[in-house]
Order: sequence, then structure tokens, then C-alpha cells
Amino acid sequence: GAGVSQSPSNKVTEKGKDVELRCDPISGHTALYWYRQSLGQGLEFLIYFQGNSAPDKSGLPSDRFSAERTGGSVSTLTIQRTQQEDSAVYLCASSLAQGTGELFFGEGSRLTVL
Amino acid sequence: GESVGLHLPTLSVQEGDNSIINCAYSNSASDYFIWYKQESGKGPQFIIDIRSNMDKRQGQRVTVLLNKTVKHLSLQIAATQPGDSAVYFCAEQPGGSYIPTFGRGTSLIVHP
Repeated sequence: GAGVSQSPSNKVTEKGKDVELRCDPISGHTALYWYRQSLGQGLEFLIYFQGNSAPDKSGLPSDRFSAERTGGSVSTLTIQRTQQEDSAVYLCASSLAQGTGELFFGEGSRLTVL
Repeated sequence: GESVGLHLPTLSVQEGDNSIINCAYSNSASDYFIWYKQESGKGPQFIIDIRSNMDKRQGQRVTVLLNKTVKHLSLQIAATQPGDSAVYFCAEQPGGSYIPTFGRGTSLIVHP
């Protein structure tokens, strides 16, 4: 498909385990965002990538969270030593250029930490 | 701190009515505003945007109004349809920032 693809769509894990969430942005989109959405809440910004520039990590809630983007395309969000409060839907979005404009979101990865 | 918020968490309307969803923002540096629609189980989808040099912008069945004096944003949906049922988010972006900040969202329920 031509949209943003995220995997897995659902992930159930045990407290203390590490998880990796993957995002395939729309081809040619240079900007990539990760947001977190808890039940009934808005979107909480996590991290922003733009081209080859250093990412804006200002939204990462703790050092257990990290993300990388390889080759300016696919991104992986890693959560180490998961906690129950990490349970949420993790949304990835991409956009054509930096600045203002439409963000295209994937359908999200729902993470449940038992 | 600066934040984006919504006045009504849930709005119920009858099919065919007009809907108005409101949003307050507090960051006076914001100069770009966006509305997104999120259907159950899906990611947010762009509806319409507006820049601070405008006070009104119209799309297909939707109108966004911006009142910078009172830092208020609204989304008007004409002739609301059951397919409009979703959560609507406003987002703001300060000048020079590339990161939209989202509000909590309003759930719109359209009764047939």
C-alpha cells in the first residue's frame, strides 16, 4: 500500500521485557514522527526525524525509550524493560517536508504490558 | 505550561444537523493549526488546516474559524452524517517548530 505501515498491530508483553515497534513511512517522505496515545487521551509527542539531521528526542518519557531511523526510511521504536504504564497505542506519521503540512498516520501499534 | 485543550469531550448531534467542535489554545507563538479526525482503530486523518494570517478557511462541508484574540479555534461540519462520527483533535504548531501539539480530542456522535 501507499500509506504508512506499522507493525506489529498488536503486541502483548510481560513487564520487564523489551519491545520493538516498526514504522514504514510513505516513500519520499523525509519527516517521521512517533506519538503515543493512551486510552481516551490525545497524542503525546515522542520523537521527530527529519532527513539526516539529529532527531528531536525531547518527547521521550525516559531513557528506556529510544528510536532510530535507518537510511532515512524505516524507523524502529524500542522500549526497554517495559512497564505497565507503557501500555498505549504507538502511532507513527510521516510528512513530505519539514515545517507545516499534513501528517500521514499509520494505524498504530497497540502495546499491552501485563 | 502551554497547552491545547478542548471545551467538550463529547458532542452528540442528529444526522443533518451542523456540528461545531471547539478548541482553546494558550501558546501565543502558535501560527499554524490543524484539525484531525480519528475513527475507531485507525490513525488520525488530516481534515483541514489554517495559518494565523487567516481567520476562516473552508473545505468540503467543513469550515475552520480562528480567533487569535481569544486564542480559540473551531471546526464546523455542515449537514453532519453518521460517517462523521469519530474523535476530532485540534493541533497547534508554533512558528519555527516542526512538531504539532495535539489536544485531548472531542468525540462526535451522530445519531441517524
